[in-house]
Amino acid sequence: AQKITQTQPGMFVQEKEAVTLDCTYDTSDPSYGLFWYKQPSSGEMIFLIYQGSYDQQNATEGRYSLNFQKARKSANLVISASQLGDSAMYFCAMRIATGGGNKLTFGTGTQLKVEL
Amino acid sequence: EAGVTQFPSHSVIEKGQTVTLRCDPISGHDNLYWYRRVMGKEIKFLLHFVKESKQDESGMPNNRFLAERTGGTYSTLKVQPAELEDSGVYFCASSQDVGMNTEAFFGQGTRLTVV
Repeated sequence: AQKITQTQPGMFVQEKEAVTLDCTYDTSDPSYGLFWYKQPSSGEMIFLIYQGSYDQQNATEGRYSLNFQKARKSANLVISASQLGDSAMYFCAMRIATGGGNKLTFGTGTQLKVEL
Repeated sequence: EAGVTQFPSHSVIEKGQTVTLRCDPISGHDNLYWYRRVMGKEIKFLLHFVKESKQDESGMPNNRFLAERTGGTYSTLKVQPAELEDSGVYFCASSQDVGMNTEAFFGQGTRLTVV
């Protein structure tokens, strides 16, 4: 069975600083995809970034980058130049290629608070 | 284009009552998913529809939960009778395709409180 672990229930960062949100995963499937979602206080889940297990380069989307370390089974999200609007809950998730259907397996989330 | 919408946004019901949650996916999205987050825990998959058919319902907790997607459009998730442990946030998501890198678009969730 696959599992996502997010060990940081809460994080604080100062505005304009960078922050890393940790995510480790466990799966025996060699083909998988890793996702990060943001959930602001309004409730909707917003897709941020995707990394495929066979992708050679780390994914980047604007101020978001994914630090993918396959041997360590980690997929940390790095947010550069934090903004007040980045304050939200962040979820790491995984989808496997075979036997998992098309569902996402999520972690417990990290609550990020950006301070002035 | 309208996103995934869920109704109601909040619901408070007594133990033993029935509640029906509704999800309207993005138009044209054949794939519809239900997930649930119990307080402080991970978001867990409940089931996956492809059009009107249940593709995967391995995450449904028990037979008190009934999901339908009549005509392959909107979906409902009924909890009958509700128990205290059913409290949580119920998310609906939709996607046009299935695939490793397919983005699932989520609604804002329905917060269910059973008292």
